[in-house]
Order: sequence, then structure tokens, then C-alpha cells
Amino acid sequence: NAGVTQTPKFQVLKTGQSMTLQCAQDMNHNSMYWYRQDPGMGLRLIYYSASEGTTDKGEVPNGYNVSRLNKREFSLRLESAAPSQTSVYFCASSEFLGQVVKGSYEQYFGPGTRLTVT
Amino acid sequence: GQQVMQIPQYQHVQEGEDFTTYCNSSTTLSNIQWYKQRPGGHPVFLIQLVKSGEVKKQKRLTFQFGEAKKNSSLHITATQTTDVGTYFCAGRGNQGGKLIFGQGTELSVKP
Repeated sequence: NAGVTQTPKFQVLKTGQSMTLQCAQDMNHNSMYWYRQDPGMGLRLIYYSASEGTTDKGEVPNGYNVSRLNKREFSLRLESAAPSQTSVYFCASSEFLGQVVKGSYEQYFGPGTRLTVT
Repeated sequence: GQQVMQIPQYQHVQEGEDFTTYCNSSTTLSNIQWYKQRPGGHPVFLIQLVKSGEVKKQKRLTFQFGEAKKNSSLHITATQTTDVGTYFCAGRGNQGGKLIFGQGTELSVKP
């Protein structure tokens, strides 16, 4: 069981370039998430997918697009990278989004992608 | 919208001292989770609290959920160097939906 895997681990882009961050999980989870982490800002949700076939915006979706390719894979695309998108990107998954009685489900995070945009 | 504030942002302690981080929400939460991120690593789930006034312990770590379900705390007794890292709380609103993470508290422990 690899858990949540992300590629690449590191990436340097020039302003205006595009790229796709890949994420896959082997835990048969229904929900997947993309976060960015910046110093002093914590983890901010970019997009999430509650279940296969659905995607929704999080707190900071501008400049990003996502694709839930199948139950295992959830990719994040930067169409035209900007220096403000320099960050560490984490993908995460959970069995489900949550339930009123049971609460939220534990999220499992990937190792992260360090992206620098110059 | 829902906000989760966490304080302090940084805490430096001597090994053996206690440590507490606080999490406050602008709205009532249905549940709160705590995660730990080691330097250079990724967040790892520690625990979830669901009930009003709930207290849970994991060895030297004590987690509390406020009576009004708008605040929570994590207390570490007698810190060790292995406790170093950033601790995040994450809350889910009463209307459901996704978790909102606090900004995190970075703990450093001097041996």
C-alpha cells in the first residue's frame, strides 16, 4: 500500500508556463483534495472531489483547474503559472467527505510537490 | 464564511516544558481534527473530537473540544524533541462540507 502518491516532488516553472500535478491513492477512497501550504497561512483548500465524477471549488481556486480522472486519480493543472503560485502542494484523500453524526473522515496526505514559479 | 484561527503561530520551549496550542472558530463546529506535520513532511492525522466538552488523551497529548463547540486545544505535557513540528487543527461546520484548517502552530523544542 503506497497510500497517496504525488508527482513530481519538485518543479521549477517560468511565469506563463503550464503544468499538471498528479495524485493517486490506492486506498479506495471516495474523496480527494488539493491543498497549498504557504508560510503562516496553514493549509488552504484549492479544489476537492467529494466522489468520483464531482469536483468543487475550495478557498483559493483561482488559477487552477482539476480533473478527477477516476476513483484513484485527481490531478491539478496550472494553465499559466504565476509567481504567487509558488508553494508546496499537497494532495489528500479520505474515505468520504463526512457525516453529520460521525464527523469528518481522516485525511491521508501525499508527500507534497514543491513548486517554484520564477 | 467559516474561519478557524489558531494561536500561537510559533512556540519555542525547553525540553520537559509543557506546550498548548489553541484553535477558535467563528462558527459552531460539528467536529474538529488535529494533525501533526514534521519538518519537511506531510500532515498526519492525530485525532478527531465530535462531542461537546470532549477530552481525549494520547500518552502525553491531551485534546479538548469546548462546550460550545467553537474552540479546541492540544496540550503536550513534558515536551520531547520528537514533538517538534507544526500542529494543525481542522474544523467542519455544522452545515457539513469540507474541513477548514487553522494556520498551524510551529513547535520547536530545545534539548
